[in-house]
Amino acid sequence: SQQGEEDPQALSIQEGENATMNCSYKTSINNLQWYRQNSGRGLVHLILIRSNEREKHSGRLRVTLDTSKKSSSLLITASRAADTASYFCATAGSSGAGSYQLTFGKGTKLSVIP
Amino acid sequence: DAGITQSPRHKVTETGTPVTLRCHQTENHRYMYWYRQDPGHGLRLIHYSYGVKDTDKGEVSDGYSVSRSKTEDFLLTLESATSSQTSVYFCAISGLAGAYEQFFGPGTRLTVL
Repeated sequence: SQQGEEDPQALSIQEGENATMNCSYKTSINNLQWYRQNSGRGLVHLILIRSNEREKHSGRLRVTLDTSKKSSSLLITASRAADTASYFCATAGSSGAGSYQLTFGKGTKLSVIP
Repeated sequence: DAGITQSPRHKVTETGTPVTLRCHQTENHRYMYWYRQDPGHGLRLIHYSYGVKDTDKGEVSDGYSVSRSKTEDFLLTLESATSSQTSVYFCAISGLAGAYEQFFGPGTRLTVL
């Protein structure tokens, strides 16, 4: 079963606006990651946030993590048409076999309209 | 996709036939993964490898087997393909303790008729 669940499933915004996607998960984690997938391509790693971190930035990306609520958010500021893609959160378990694996959510499909 | 190739990129086969997909990496990473991606399900782990000849099952391993005889190659075999195995298959690699940044191949689109 999926560990991470993204919300919303689809998001459409105008170029220049900010896009926020949310991810909720169920069990304790070691880290949480966000990936981007352009249509017909493989996933590309965007950012990793560890369980003891609350916020992380990378360029126009800002990720927050609230372990008490078991949730994370990805903010893309000043969006561009090139940001159009599907975005997935993935969680790494904190123990056992889960610590060797990532469990992916179903993704948020972002459309940025020029 | 640099450093990871998958072959074939597209394949159409018939129910009941065996199929082998290949993942090849030039990064010398220890960990390799096979996922399938289906609409409405996201990415699901089939099998993974944590070293040569060391493999383990993922969430959806039934009907699939894997082998890793060299660091650079990870093979996924469908012993007797079924229509439910029609999917896009992605290979991924990771150099650290598995659950860190993964690098994905370009994918193989498999259709089982």
